[in-house]
Order: sequence, then structure tokens, then C-alpha cells
Amino acid sequence: GDSVTQMEGPVTLSEEAFLTINCTYTATGYPSLFWYVQYPGEGLQLLLKATKADDKGSNKGFEATYRKETTSFHLEKGSVQVSDSAVYFCALSAGGKLIFGQGTELSVKP
Amino acid sequence: KAGVTQTPRYLIKTRGQQVTLSCSPISGHRSVSWYQQTPGQGLQFLFEYFSETQRNKGNFPGRFSGRQFSNSRSEMNVSTLELGDSALYLCASSSGDSRADTQYFGPGTRLTVL
Repeated sequence: GDSVTQMEGPVTLSEEAFLTINCTYTATGYPSLFWYVQYPGEGLQLLLKATKADDKGSNKGFEATYRKETTSFHLEKGSVQVSDSAVYFCALSAGGKLIFGQGTELSVKP
Repeated sequence: KAGVTQTPRYLIKTRGQQVTLSCSPISGHRSVSWYQQTPGQGLQFLFEYFSETQRNKGNFPGRFSGRQFSNSRSEMNVSTLELGDSALYLCASSSGDSRADTQYFGPGTRLTVL
């Protein structure tokens, strides 16, 4: 069945460091791909999305490119801030439902 | 536009009781989905409602049920609560026009079963 695998956390970075969170997926067909972020005590916020191969989603300095050949959708940011500390979820859409990775906790230290 | 709202935000129940959670979608959205989030199992899909009909269902026991009203608001019910039902329950809405629509999430209802 369809699935999403994310790199395990927690990931701890210093402010202004480069961030990569790996995400790979298994799916039949061509799903849309998403990154959501969850801050403590809150629900999920859409960070970015891509709907077809080679699409690049971007928002708030975060980027991810839909790579069909490697079935990947890695999240990157050039310079993280303390306020980026949160849990990040990669997800794919499958028949109207979202299938999520296990989440990657990011902690950014000043 | 107002976002997805969920009530109540927190609930404490005891085993054997039942509970009803409510979700109001973004105005104009006709699809509402429910997810359960636990530390052990992560985020799991419960079900989706579209135009008052259940359109999709996850692998949860029949104790978990839902419904959708004509104004697209949705409720989720869990009967005969078990300790393992303690979780954050998230509601998400989308336009419903495409099965790959972006889903927008509410803040969740934190259910604790004692």
C-alpha cells in the first residue's frame, strides 16, 4: 500500500544552519505531496505542496521538489530560525485521504 | 476566511463513556476528514465526509463513527471509550472537488480517557 518514510528525529541545528529533512514515498499513480508543520499544542499547518513531478513547492523560505525518479520530496531551508522549531510531517494524498510520515522534530538553538 | 474550528479543545472522559467531537469547516468547503494522532501510531485517517455522505473510511473499529450535516459541519462519535482512544483528534476540510485537494486542519481536540 501507499506509504511515506521520513528521516528520524529529533534534528537539532544552530540558528542560520541549513536544513534538510528527507522524505520518500511509495504510491500507485501520481499523488500530490505535502509538507505540514505542527507547533506545540496546535494542529497541522500546510507548509507547501506539489502536485506533479518536478514541481517545486515553496513557502517561508522552505522548499521541496517532487522527484518522481527517486520518489522523494525532501524539505530544505537555507537558514533556519529558532521560530522554525516544530514537528514536520511529509504526506501524500491517496484517494482523498492523507498518508503521513512519522514526523521529524526540529529544534533550533540560538 | 475563518479557519477550521473544533470544539471542545480538551475533553476528559472515563472508560466506557462515549464522546462527541465537533468540527466546522472553512466556509465553502464540502469535505471534512478526521484523523487521530497518537505518539505511538502517528497520524491515522479515520474517515471522510462529503455532502453528508461518508466517502472514505480508515481502519478503525465501529466504535468510531461520524456524520456530516447539510451545512458541512461534522461530528465524530466514539462509543465505549478505551484507554487507547486517548489522542489528539484532528479535523481537516477541503473543497472536495478533487481527491487530491489540499486539506486544512483545525487545532484539534485533545481527548484523555481515564
